[in-house]
Order: sequence, then C-alpha cells, then structure tokens
Amino acid sequence: EVQLVQSGGGFVQPGGSLTLSCAASGFTFSSYWMHWVRQVPGKGLVWVSRINHDGRTTDYADSVKGRITISRDNARNTLFLQLNSLRVADTAIYYCVREGLDAFAAWGQGTLVTVSS
Amino acid sequence: EIVMTQSPATLSVSPGEGVTLSCRATQSVSNDLAWYQQKPGQAPRLLIYAASTRAPGIPARFRGSGSGTEFTLTISSLQSEDFAVFYCQQYNNWPYSFGQGTKLDIK
Repeated sequence: EVQLVQSGGGFVQPGGSLTLSCAASGFTFSSYWMHWVRQVPGKGLVWVSRINHDGRTTDYADSVKGRITISRDNARNTLFLQLNSLRVADTAIYYCVREGLDAFAAWGQGTLVTVSS
Repeated sequence: EIVMTQSPATLSVSPGEGVTLSCRATQSVSNDLAWYQQKPGQAPRLLIYAASTRAPGIPARFRGSGSGTEFTLTISSLQSEDFAVFYCQQYNNWPYSFGQGTKLDIK
C-alpha cells in the first residue's frame, strides 16, 4: 500500500524556521517526482514546490522562492521541505504528494504550520 | 502562469440528482487536467486524471471530459458521500495550478 506519512509541523514565530518531513512506503520512492502543496485552512490549494527523482532538479512557486527548500533522501525514502523566514501568510496545511503515471493519486495526511507572534 | 477558473463556486443539489462542474484554463493544458474531491479535515482525493481517466476505485458515476481549455466533471446520481469541495488542477505547465474550488452542498 502506498503511504506518505508526514511530520514536523507546528507553531513558529514570524521569521522562524521549520522542516517538514514526508516518509514514503509501499513504492520505489527514488523513481518518482515529489511535490509539496499547501492550503490555508478553509481556502484553496496552492502548489509550492517539486523535486525530481534524484533531487537535482527543483522548482518553486514565486511566492516561496528563496525562503523554502525542497530536498529528498532516497536512502531513507523521505522528502523534506525546509521553511525559512516564515511569514504569517505561510500559515497553512502542507501536503506532500507523489507524481506518477496516475498523476497525483498519493497524498500525505497533511501537517499544519502556524506562523504567529 | 496558467489560471484555472471553476464554476459555479457553490452548487446545491439533492441526492439522486446529477450535476456538472466546469473548469476553464487561461491557455491550453492539453489533457493534463485532474479533478479532486476534498472533504473537511481530509487530504484531497484524486478522482480523474488525464482529463477523463478515473483513478482506481472511483465509481463510474464520476466522469471527466474536455481538452485544451475547457473541462467538465459530471457526477450522475449524487450519493450522500459525494458532497464536498471539488478542485480542478492543471499539470501541463509549472507552476501547476488549481481552480478555486466548487462546493457541492446538499439541498
């Protein structure tokens, strides 16, 4: 069974940092592009970042470019999202997502990041 | 950046009825279009990808169609568990983008 289990969310003050993790199982992690999507509670979905199979290619939404870093450890089957210089507007539920032949069928359970003073 | 626009924003429908949701892109996305259903407190669930292919386990009452810039999701004979927010999403051009969602309410 394909599973994406997320961890690392929480409460942080503006300007702070946080790292989110997404542990993958049930598939060959190193064969897939992986993504992060976020959602302000009660609002719509926004694509944040993506990373290719070996981690050498990354892309970011303009709203987070320069403040967020996506990475992966294929030996540990884990995807990461490092959030820096956090703003109140970054408060959201963050989802990790697997891209495959079936588009985006696998999603993590989501982790809430709250940025507040 | 491709902007996806969904209509209507909200739809109130009775169980057993059918409904059609629309999604429009500001430029062609070919058939790189997915539909998701999201219920409160849950991650989005993929319903349709490649514009018209149902994801595994999705009932046949969900049907996607369209290509280019115009897409529709048709749900026939709505069941109580179908009421949720539905999003379309293009994955033809980075940054991938979602529509703002259509909320399907029970009338």
